[in-house]
Amino acid sequence: DAGITQSPRHKVTETGTPVTLRCHQTENHRYMYWYRQDPGHGLRLIHYSYGVKDTDKGEVSDGYSVSRSKTEDFLLTLESATSSQTSVYFCAISESKFRELFFGEGSRLTVL
Amino acid sequence: KNQVEQSPQSLIILEGKNCTLQCNYTVSPFSNLRWYKQDTGRGPVSLTIMTFSENTKSNGRYTATLDADTKQSSLHITASQLSDSASYICVVSDGSYDKVIFGPGTSLSVIP
Repeated sequence: DAGITQSPRHKVTETGTPVTLRCHQTENHRYMYWYRQDPGHGLRLIHYSYGVKDTDKGEVSDGYSVSRSKTEDFLLTLESATSSQTSVYFCAISESKFRELFFGEGSRLTVL
Repeated sequence: KNQVEQSPQSLIILEGKNCTLQCNYTVSPFSNLRWYKQDTGRGPVSLTIMTFSENTKSNGRYTATLDADTKQSSLHITASQLSDSASYICVVSDGSYDKVIFGPGTSLSVIP
């Protein structure tokens, strides 16, 4: 298994509170991604990173920000959580944009 | 609009039987097509990846086919096992960072 650790794995929070999800990799892969998975939808890209301090928006980036200060860590922040952000969040890594994606185990976030 | 559709939405088969899952896509240009297996509560794991020039690829009891002309792919599972119970996700890429389109998945249940 690829060395990807997501934390926390489960979190329940209230509307309006900030939330940060962490993705840590030990593979030294250049590319890191944050996806959300909701029933009836395929995985949707929130943000991605192609290097330290190099990030860009994905399909569903509104309400989310990211940071990557080290190769191994990619943080996803919800500045003010809303109920529509209740979801399962997956971090993924890849060596290059043409190589396969390796996924973490997911972080289940519930916003009440 | 780039889309990936999968059928059936869900499927129940008896252990030992074969099954075929379908994927249709409209993603253009096309770079590669991947099939992932996602166990309940886990992250997706890659099964196969095919480029434009490949029309068949096997991984144990899993065989994927690709018809780039009709933009269709199938995943055939032979001699199913209880451990095959999972969601199978078709993913199509145009080779760019953010245009990796995930299908909604087919939920497969293998029963004794």
